[in-house]
Amino acid sequence: GEDVEQSLFLSVREGDSSVINCTYTDSSSTYLYWYKQEPGAGLQLLTYIFSNMDMKQDQRLTVLLNKKDKHLSLRIADTQTGDSAIYFCARGGSYIPTFGRGTSLIVHP
Amino acid sequence: EPEVTQTPSHQVTQMGQEVILRCVPISNHLYFYWYRQILGQKVEFLVSFYNNEISEKSEIFDDQFSVERPDGSNFTLKIRSTKLEDSAMYFCASSPGLAGATVTEQYFGPGTRLTVT
Repeated sequence: GEDVEQSLFLSVREGDSSVINCTYTDSSSTYLYWYKQEPGAGLQLLTYIFSNMDMKQDQRLTVLLNKKDKHLSLRIADTQTGDSAIYFCARGGSYIPTFGRGTSLIVHP
Repeated sequence: EPEVTQTPSHQVTQMGQEVILRCVPISNHLYFYWYRQILGQKVEFLVSFYNNEISEKSEIFDDQFSVERPDGSNFTLKIRSTKLEDSAMYFCASSPGLAGATVTEQYFGPGTRLTVT
């Protein structure tokens, strides 16, 4: 299977919470990341978590890490239409990340 | 805010032709990278470049690929003889430094979509 896996699409209603999930296989990963890619733009680092943490919150974003299950999630509270983008999960032990395929988040009114 | 730029945004070429993808990294950055994403696939690392030489490369980065920093601002990726399977989005990235740095400091460009026909 893939090293980093995530579902390809997620559709939510504006104002609801979005949860984007990711699983990975390499337990030696030191950092786990979430990137956002808006149409026509490059990858923008949204947030990251060290592997010795379980949770990180940054305004509307909450990252949860379950090391035992090698599962990472990104929760976006009060999702807005501007949050529509592709979200990439990535893991890294060095400075070169390994990415997933990206989850397209579609926010509808 | 400084940003990484890439040109062209879309390049169409015939199989067997050479292409050069161009990137202008952020001006005070020292490390440069190329990644690619085949449609529907994950983003894959190709190569990193520091001090005018390749510092790391993946198995994808074979003899058909080369990188160059021809002047103080541009960073290029050349594909000598394109194949259909080279069709992908190519992302350039740069970072200010490596010592003590993590990938958190990489800044990505918007990408060049390469279509090989």
